Amino acid sequence: AQKVTQAQTEISVVEKEDVTLDCVYETRDTTYYLFWYKQPPSGELVFLIRRNSFDEQNEISGRYSWNFQKSTSSFNFTITASQVVDSAVYFCALSEKGGSEKLVFGKGTKLTVNP
Amino acid sequence: DTAVSQTPKYLVTQMGNDKSIKCEQNLGHDTMYWYKQDSKKFLKIMFSYNNKELIINETVPNRFSPKSPDKAHLNLHINSLELGDSAVYFCASSPWTEAQTNYGYTFGSGTRLTVV
Repeated sequence: AQKVTQAQTEISVVEKEDVTLDCVYETRDTTYYLFWYKQPPSGELVFLIRRNSFDEQNEISGRYSWNFQKSTSSFNFTITASQVVDSAVYFCALSEKGGSEKLVFGKGTKLTVNP
Repeated sequence: DTAVSQTPKYLVTQMGNDKSIKCEQNLGHDTMYWYKQDSKKFLKIMFSYNNKELIINETVPNRFSPKSPDKAHLNLHINSLELGDSAVYFCASSPWTEAQTNYGYTFGSGTRLTVV
């Protein structure tokens, strides 16, 4: 069965610091999809990125970057030069095979960026 | 236009009541889901439907009954509400196959249910 572990429950940083959110996953499938979602205090779930198991390229989107390493079953998320608006709960999630398979979430990491 | 919309956004009700949450998606997705987020923010799947057919039922009490009148709608009816049902319920949708370029899970804004 699939499992996602986000070992960091809460992280607090000062604005402009870089911060990395860790995500470790378990799956027996060779085809799977990894996701990151952001949940700001307003409560909605905001999609950030999707990565499939065959694409280990790292990705950068503005201040956000993701490091996918199959060798360590990790899909870590880095925010560069953090801002107060980045304060949220961040979820890593896994879907086996894709399609209509369920999305399994980690327990989330609460990030607080202080001014 | 909102892609996945849920109503109501907030629901406060007494123990023992029956209530429904509605969900509609206009993305043309074949699969819809209900997720529950508890007080510790843990998100867990409850049900999924594909084109009106139940695919996943994750050992949810039978007081919870999903209903899908068509593939764009998935409603959640809860009977005999209990204090422990208080949570945020999220509806989501996705395409049937990951081959579709828009593959991903789109979530509604959530319904905060409070049972008193």
